[in-house]
Amino acid sequence: SQQGEEDPQALSIQEGENATMNCSYKTSINNLQWYRQNSGRGLVHLILIRSNEREKHSGRLRVTLDTSKKSSSLLITASRAADTASYFCASTQGGSEKLVFGKGTKLTVNP
Amino acid sequence: DAGVIQSPRHEVTEMGQEVTLRCKPISGHDYLFWYRQTMMRGLELLIYFNNNVPIDDSGMPEDRFSAKMPNASFSTLKIQPSEPRDSAVYFCASRDGWGNQPQHFGDGTRLSIL
Repeated sequence: SQQGEEDPQALSIQEGENATMNCSYKTSINNLQWYRQNSGRGLVHLILIRSNEREKHSGRLRVTLDTSKKSSSLLITASRAADTASYFCASTQGGSEKLVFGKGTKLTVNP
Repeated sequence: DAGVIQSPRHEVTEMGQEVTLRCKPISGHDYLFWYRQTMMRGLELLIYFNNNVPIDDSGMPEDRFSAKMPNASFSTLKIQPSEPRDSAVYFCASRDGWGNQPQHFGDGTRLSIL
């Protein structure tokens, strides 16, 4: 079953604009991770936020986590055409090693 | 550094044939994961290993699927006999240590069963 659900399913923006993707999950988590997948390639880890953290930054990426609402958001600032990809949230829960992925947001950045 | 290496990248075969997918994890990583990705079901965990030992195979769809990890640098996922509904992209990922570490994915095997 899906733990994370991303919203929107697809997003199309112009280069230079910011892109925000949201993720909701159902049960308590240990951490939440965001991954990027370029077409025809494997997933690439972007950032991990622990359940006791509220915000984390990495370059042009900003992730927030609201455990009371069971939601997270990924903000990409000053987007580039190279950011075109699908973005997935994933989380582990309890003592499980399983990383459960959402179905992803497909981001298109138009030059 | 070499990442996770999967082979073949593409496989097209007829229904009923045996299919073997291969994975070489990143050296030193002690966890290995096999996933399947389809449009309908997204990314699903099939099985994972820790130190070459299968820990959880509850995601393996049925007995036609089997996975082995004979040593720390090699794993296989086998489907016998294959069926058209097995068509998907299969990913292998490895991780160094416990769950707060990122998983590193290979580029997958695109499997088509005719």
